[in-house]
Amino acid sequence: QSALTQPASVSGSPGQSITISCTGTSSDVGGYNYVSWYQQHTGKAPKLMIYEVSNRPSGVSNRFSGSKSGNTASLTISGLQAEDEADYYCSSYTSSSTPWVFGGGTKLTVL
Amino acid sequence: EVQLVESGGGLVKPGGSLRLSCAASGFTFSSYSMNWVRQAPGKGLEWVSSISSSSSYIYYADSVKGRFTISRDNAKNSLYLQMNSLRAEDTAVYYCPCTIGNWFDPWGQGTLVTVSS
Repeated sequence: QSALTQPASVSGSPGQSITISCTGTSSDVGGYNYVSWYQQHTGKAPKLMIYEVSNRPSGVSNRFSGSKSGNTASLTISGLQAEDEADYYCSSYTSSSTPWVFGGGTKLTVL
Repeated sequence: EVQLVESGGGLVKPGGSLRLSCAASGFTFSSYSMNWVRQAPGKGLEWVSSISSSSSYIYYADSVKGRFTISRDNAKNSLYLQMNSLRAEDTAVYYCPCTIGNWFDPWGQGTLVTVSS
């Protein structure tokens, strides 16, 4: 199972908005509304930020939002803050023989 | 408080074996599927294996199939990963997130496995 495709890096200035894309196929991202996003600060465990494409867990800032169009899901962070600097990973359920796949990860730099 | 604590990592020689454990607390462990996800140094997340709540369904990534075995003991609120025939490329931090619905949450702090001679 191939990993979902994410840009290696994105950057933005404080207060700006950025979007991270996550491209898969009709067997994963495009076929199910089971895309989730994770934030990982250096040396820390991943943290769930978005589930089922666009839902935010309790406690996650409403500056984080998710969407999907076709085979591409997106994570948007508005009002960038220094604390948002981290690695971000998408994940999707897949109809292949292995049920889960992750993206390669995107490093967000807040300038 | 929901908590997952991984243990059992360490240094092992190529071809060796290791058994990882994951202790769960703060939620009804027996009701949820569990997983192992790993992260090689400086690399991204890689799903390794999943087991359903009653152990009826088990899945493995192609990279570990035939070498790793996932299991659970609901009476002990524990998840395990038996890793045999270890290779250098298995070096990673191993996490045991729960699958609630169709996402991974929560995550423990992970346990480091290093395969080296």
